[in-house]
Amino acid sequence: NAGVTQTPKFQVLKTGQSMTLQCAQDMNHEYMSWYRQDPGMGLRLIHYSVGAGITDQGEVPNGYNVSRSTTEDFPLRLLSAAPSQTSVYFCASSYSFTSGRAVRFFGPGTRLTVL
Amino acid sequence: DQQVKQNSPSLSVQEGRISILNCDYTNSMFDYFLWYKKYPAEGPTFLISISSIKDKNEDGRFTVFLNKSAKHLSLHIVPSQPGDSAVYFCAASIDRGSTLGRLYFGRGTQLTVWP
Repeated sequence: NAGVTQTPKFQVLKTGQSMTLQCAQDMNHEYMSWYRQDPGMGLRLIHYSVGAGITDQGEVPNGYNVSRSTTEDFPLRLLSAAPSQTSVYFCASSYSFTSGRAVRFFGPGTRLTVL
Repeated sequence: DQQVKQNSPSLSVQEGRISILNCDYTNSMFDYFLWYKKYPAEGPTFLISISSIKDKNEDGRFTVFLNKSAKHLSLHIVPSQPGDSAVYFCAASIDRGSTLGRLYFGRGTQLTVWP
């Protein structure tokens, strides 16, 4: 199993550009989520999905869009990049969304810089 | 407002000694607590967890203690090893209501174990 994979590993954007961060998992997990990690901050939830076709907002959703057309993939779209979106982005999946007990498996992250 | 707090951004411990990482929380509704470990350029990985109905959980060298009245938990690593050098995130969840299953993370503590 590859687990949770993310592409690209690094990305530099100019303000106003759009892009999609890719996330895929091969564990047949129903629950997938996106977090961002900023210096001196914990992981903050951006969006999450409890199954194909179902998404919802997390703590910091503004400026991001998601969709979930398959169980395996959960892309994160930046609609118009801003310097405040410079961060490290982590995708995570777990077998259940109903409990914090369900271990989240994290991808290796995408480091995004917006100039 | 940070509901999970790790007030020590860093901790340095000699190999073989005990490492104690602390975490405080403000929301009395939290009923499950987890610790994640993160190496550079990797995603966080699950380390150990504890339910609010317990006050201690042990897994090898790692023990988590929960003091509900003080809204405090701690992670003990005994003996500490250089390979334990990483950022440790404390996380909490509420397993009921509209936020069920969502994880709230602290800002992390960088542990350095020196020989």
